[in-house]
Amino acid sequence: SQELEQSPQSLIVQEGKNLTINCTSSKTLYGLYWYKQKYGEGLIFLMMLQKGGEEKSHEKITAKLDEKKQQSSLHITASQPSHAGIYLCGAFEDSNYQLIWGAGTKLIIKP
Amino acid sequence: NAGVMQNPRHLVRRRGQEARLRCSPMKGHSHVYWYRQLPEEGLKFMVYLQKENIIDESGMPKERFSAEFPKEGPSILRIQQVVRGDSAAYFCASSLQTGAISGNTIYFGEGSWLTVV
Repeated sequence: SQELEQSPQSLIVQEGKNLTINCTSSKTLYGLYWYKQKYGEGLIFLMMLQKGGEEKSHEKITAKLDEKKQQSSLHITASQPSHAGIYLCGAFEDSNYQLIWGAGTKLIIKP
Repeated sequence: NAGVMQNPRHLVRRRGQEARLRCSPMKGHSHVYWYRQLPEEGLKFMVYLQKENIIDESGMPKERFSAEFPKEGPSILRIQQVVRGDSAAYFCASSLQTGAISGNTIYFGEGSWLTVV
């Protein structure tokens, strides 16, 4: 099945600046998950979006799912060194238990 | 409440040996999933299990790979006669329910990094 397209592939951002990561599919998504992964470590759950137009926030991270449920964005406000890592989006596409994944966005925060 | 526990974290095997990866889901979770992350590649679904049942193993190679989730004890992913191409990170995940249900968080373990030499 088709994987998710994630952009950008990598991002270098000055500390304190805002940034956005996108996750796109050509099909309708049923359940969109955002995770953060540090190199060589596990996946940390950030947020799950299910409904079209849904938006959730946790601390300085906001995720949105568009009305068509084909694209999600993750926005970080006033980035900090602790935000550095690889951000992964995963979603249910056809199956209701197989997550398909984006390739990840590597975020580096410059002090 | 402990998270998803995987062990070993790192495993080195010679070609032809067997690798056994263990996963204890979060307390109360009966849905277990295994994913593989190859170097420089994304995560790929391998298998979905519930207690004593394999629900979907469509992502698992047909030979050498097997998985189980017994009534008692952890889920096991077993790789027989390992080859270099099996070197990857193997992640286990668990959830309370299955599917895109609001609030259905899927929790991942720290992963088991297999290196085949």
